Amino acid sequence: DTGVSQNPRHKITKRGQNVTFRCDPISEHNRLYWYRQTLGQGPEFLTYFQNEAQLEKSRLLSDRFSAERPKGSFSTLEIQRTEQGDSAMYLCASTRGHDNSPLHFGNGTRLTVT
Amino acid sequence: AQSVTQLDSQVPVFEEAPVELRCNYSSSVSVYLFWYVQYPNQGLQLLLKYLSGSTLVKGINGFEAEFNKSQTSFHLRKPSVHISDTAEYFCAVSYTGNQFYFGTGTSLTVIP
Repeated sequence: DTGVSQNPRHKITKRGQNVTFRCDPISEHNRLYWYRQTLGQGPEFLTYFQNEAQLEKSRLLSDRFSAERPKGSFSTLEIQRTEQGDSAMYLCASTRGHDNSPLHFGNGTRLTVT
Repeated sequence: AQSVTQLDSQVPVFEEAPVELRCNYSSSVSVYLFWYVQYPNQGLQLLLKYLSGSTLVKGINGFEAEFNKSQTSFHLRKPSVHISDTAEYFCAVSYTGNQFYFGTGTSLTVIP
């Protein structure tokens, strides 16, 4: 179990630029989740995948956000035309997806939009 | 709406004193409950989970929690805290095993 890996750890970008984050889940986990966390708040659900299928998206996920998991392994989250309000910690988590197994989180990518 | 409420946003406690962090959830027929800890600039680490069976659940670092169905609560406890327990604690609930809902967190500060 090498854990959930997220890259980069930190990203500073200017408003209007596009950014992409990567998440590598625990290898045997078939479910992958993206969350957003702002200061003083709990994680807010964005989207999740079962293998390569994106099963649910939050209303928080505007058209500027897109997530993929093309081969059912790693996932990418892209934010187009970033806004200052996108500044947050983006957390990825994975789980086996059965037996009500808990989420295992990566260390997150902290995005700062200037 | 399905939700989790953490009643205390900040809890200061002296070292070696007991602590309880409160969590209430929206009632449902079936529910799965979790407590996570988050240290600065890190992801969330699972402390313990309740899926079924015994209502008293023991986790890592000496923490335990009790599932109380009648009060829809899942409070986290530790009999004696250490400085290293200073962190943010999140309660989470899943009703179907697909979606997980998190509380707003409780910041625990252990005072030497």
